Amino acid sequence: DTAVSQTPKYLVTQMGNDKSIKCEQNLGHDTMYWYKQDSKKFLKIMFSYNNKELIINETVPNRFSPKSPDKAHLNLHINSLELGDSAVYFCASSPGPGGNTEAFFGQGTRLTVV
Amino acid sequence: AQSVTQLGSHVSVSEGALVLLRCNYSSSVPPYLFWYVQYPNQGLQLLLKYTTGATLVKGINGFEAEFKKSETSFHLTKPSAHMSDAAEYFCAVRISGNTGKLIFGQGTTLQVKP
Repeated sequence: DTAVSQTPKYLVTQMGNDKSIKCEQNLGHDTMYWYKQDSKKFLKIMFSYNNKELIINETVPNRFSPKSPDKAHLNLHINSLELGDSAVYFCASSPGPGGNTEAFFGQGTRLTVV
Repeated sequence: AQSVTQLGSHVSVSEGALVLLRCNYSSSVPPYLFWYVQYPNQGLQLLLKYTTGATLVKGINGFEAEFKKSETSFHLTKPSAHMSDAAEYFCAVRISGNTGKLIFGQGTTLQVKP
């Protein structure tokens, strides 16, 4: 039983295309996140949702649009893909937005823009 | 502003030797601190966390870490390295406020030599 699952695991696409990454968690958590890991393995938060409401938007370009249809799902849509968008994108969840609990991460989606 | 610094982007030890991965944080309030491990092409897995209470915390796979407020450190140790410990290790701090945001260090690659 995968706690946080992302699809697809690999995504290769051409510049200018639009693509989506899906994320689902079955942990009953209220808060979900998207993190980006660059080629140097540095991890940085992009978005955070709590009960379907956006609570963090870390100055991410408008081409990135998260959508949370319910608190178990947080999808990431990217318009007009650029070479610099190539990275590994991780979805994560936690019981709530505060407190001392850890985040649980998905396996990641490796996006390659060519 | 809160931040995390991991000293040493690459650490190499022999199998059976002590593992020491260094992490220093900057926080104006008592922090919540985490160590995550990332195996190749995998997501992040929690090793251990410090929230409150005992400053020496034990985690999975024989790892432990000690929170030292006076040194603003949370170094990760394991008495005897195993080949399977080779991975990327990330120290993270959860920032204050109600966002759940994790700030990660730059990561340390642990190499274990036979």
